[in-house]
Amino acid sequence: GAGVSQSPRYKVAKRGQDVALRCDPISGHVSLFWYQQALGQGPEFLTYFQNEAQLDKSGLPSDRFFAERPEGSVSTLKIQRTQQEDSAVYLCASTSGANVLTFGAGSRLTVL
Amino acid sequence: DQQVKQNSPSLSVQEGRISILNCDYTNSMFDYFLWYKKYPAEGPTFLISISSIKDKNEDGRFTVFLNKSAKHLSLHIVPSQPGDSAVYFCAAMKTSYDKVIFGPGTSLSVIP
Repeated sequence: GAGVSQSPRYKVAKRGQDVALRCDPISGHVSLFWYQQALGQGPEFLTYFQNEAQLDKSGLPSDRFFAERPEGSVSTLKIQRTQQEDSAVYLCASTSGANVLTFGAGSRLTVL
Repeated sequence: DQQVKQNSPSLSVQEGRISILNCDYTNSMFDYFLWYKKYPAEGPTFLISISSIKDKNEDGRFTVFLNKSAKHLSLHIVPSQPGDSAVYFCAAMKTSYDKVIFGPGTSLSVIP
């Protein structure tokens, strides 16, 4: 595709619900990153894939967070048993391998 | 422990004047630095970058300066235009294939 596409753009969840956020990277981009951006802060690294391999998940805040990219293209970030502190914009970015990330518009999660 | 710092949350500049956005970092292993620009409800977009082997990189109205000994970089925008009003994130990485670490951002307002 022309850019990185994320869905849903907005998600409201009740505390305790599971959510799944989807990222469609730019076609052919090998590397895919997930970031979490809380209000008024910069994006915080969550996890990184190279093709289908998850090479770094050091930023995932707890074991309630899980990401996958089974076929090396689309990626899903899953958050189980959501908590209020999970409320943030979740940004996905992809790159062909160089150092410039192309970001999607983000998925804004609000946990009530 | 914030590795990339932007100590000015906001900056206001008159149209046509110079905007100077500052950034400090703590990790001496950082080798590559980037600036991203973000409009509301959009993902960050890449603006300009600099490698640690350089002390200046220029692209049109945008210039980034790097002072490695002081672990400081700055972004100069001249002349500033109202369309430059956005949040600017300073970012750093250890190698060109590493995860990107972002600062908290500086909100720039260019007043017509």
